[in-house]
Amino acid sequence: AQSVTQLGSHVSVSEGALVLLRCNYSSSVPPYLFWYVQYPNQGLQLLLKYTSAATLVKGINGFEAEFKKSETSFHLTKPSAHMSDAAEYFCAVTLPSGGYQKVTFGIGTKLQVIP
Amino acid sequence: IAGITQAPTSQILAAGRRMTLRCTQDMRHNAMYWYRQDLGLGLRLIHYSNTAGTTGKGEVPDGYSVSRANTDDFPLTLASAVPSQTSVYFCASKMASGSLTDTQYFGPGTRLTVL
Repeated sequence: AQSVTQLGSHVSVSEGALVLLRCNYSSSVPPYLFWYVQYPNQGLQLLLKYTSAATLVKGINGFEAEFKKSETSFHLTKPSAHMSDAAEYFCAVTLPSGGYQKVTFGIGTKLQVIP
Repeated sequence: IAGITQAPTSQILAAGRRMTLRCTQDMRHNAMYWYRQDLGLGLRLIHYSNTAGTTGKGEVPDGYSVSRANTDDFPLTLASAVPSQTSVYFCASKMASGSLTDTQYFGPGTRLTVL
């Protein structure tokens, strides 16, 4: 079975501070991992994805994530938070499952940026 | 602008009524998906379609039906709405159903309230 766990449903950071959103996965086979962002009243947008080409993945808006197999983690980071980063972030893992590519989403982490 | 459109944006529905949520994409993607998003549960897959003419059940299909008559449209129908179907519904698509790494693109969502 596959799953993702996002630690912390709410995270607050000051503007300019480091953003760290945690995601751990469990999978019996090498996973493909994604981070999506959801702004208020919008659908999800892809931030970045890990497809086994490189363990450090750079995404849009200055975000990056590092795949660490030994820790089964794929944490999302950004060196300096902007007010515009306030949103909800979802980690997801995908594996084949029956007739479709099953994507399992975490429950989400809501990021608040404090001026 | 290429993407996914959903209609209506929001709807309040009496229990027992029939409702169809519309989803249209203009990216010529083969695979399409319907998710529901509930607080604390993340996104859960309702139904999917790997290509026009085929559909399949996801994690929470009960009470919902879909059809895929052509590539662009993927309507979701609630035959007899119940309050537990109050949720935000997202349609998504991706180019290749068989790809584990293709990005899913999401529509803006439909907020449905069943009273």
